[in-house]
Amino acid sequence: AQSVTQLDSQVPVFEEAPVELRCNYSSSVSVYLFWYVQYPNQGLQLLLKYLSGSTLVKGINGFEAEFNKSQTSFHLRKPSVHISDTAEYFCAVTFNQAGTALIFGKGTTLSVSS
Amino acid sequence: DTEVTQTPKHLVMGMTNKKSLKCEQHMGHRAMYWYKQKAKKPPELMFVYSYEKLSINESVPSRFSPECPNSSLLNLHLHALQPEDSALYLCASSHSLGSSTGELFFGEGSRLTVL
Repeated sequence: AQSVTQLDSQVPVFEEAPVELRCNYSSSVSVYLFWYVQYPNQGLQLLLKYLSGSTLVKGINGFEAEFNKSQTSFHLRKPSVHISDTAEYFCAVTFNQAGTALIFGKGTTLSVSS
Repeated sequence: DTEVTQTPKHLVMGMTNKKSLKCEQHMGHRAMYWYKQKAKKPPELMFVYSYEKLSINESVPSRFSPECPNSSLLNLHLHALQPEDSALYLCASSHSLGSSTGELFFGEGSRLTVL
């Protein structure tokens, strides 16, 4: 079965600390991977995506993620977070098959405090 | 233009009302989606239209009725809803269903409250 798992439901960190939000997937076919961010009372915004090529992907707002095929992971990282990064983060995957839609993980709440 | 526009942003309706949510995109995308999102939960796929034809219906109750009048517009007609249907309804679009990029572009959502 094809699925995506976000291992942490909540991640509290202090401002300027590094953060890693974990995401693992399960698939028997090749995948495309995404991280979306949702600020309170807003829609979803794409942070970054992996389609092919370099396994280190850089996104907006200083975030990056690394695709690790052997570990079936796509963890999101930021070396120094800001208060404004407080939001819900969703890992999502779609599969290299016609007719498939995006599947979301359960989400990770990142709470940045001073 | 890389926007997906949803109206209204907020909607309050009684259980006997009939209302509609609207979504519009002008990116030339041929796949459009409706998602339902409850607080602190991921979006749940409801419907997908591909080339203006309903391709995916995730066993959504018939009180939700989607419509795709043309390639730029997507509607969600609401009738006889229940309080548990209160949620954020997100519209999204992509180049095509299962396209090589897979990226979805989301609107800001319509927040629905059913009294």
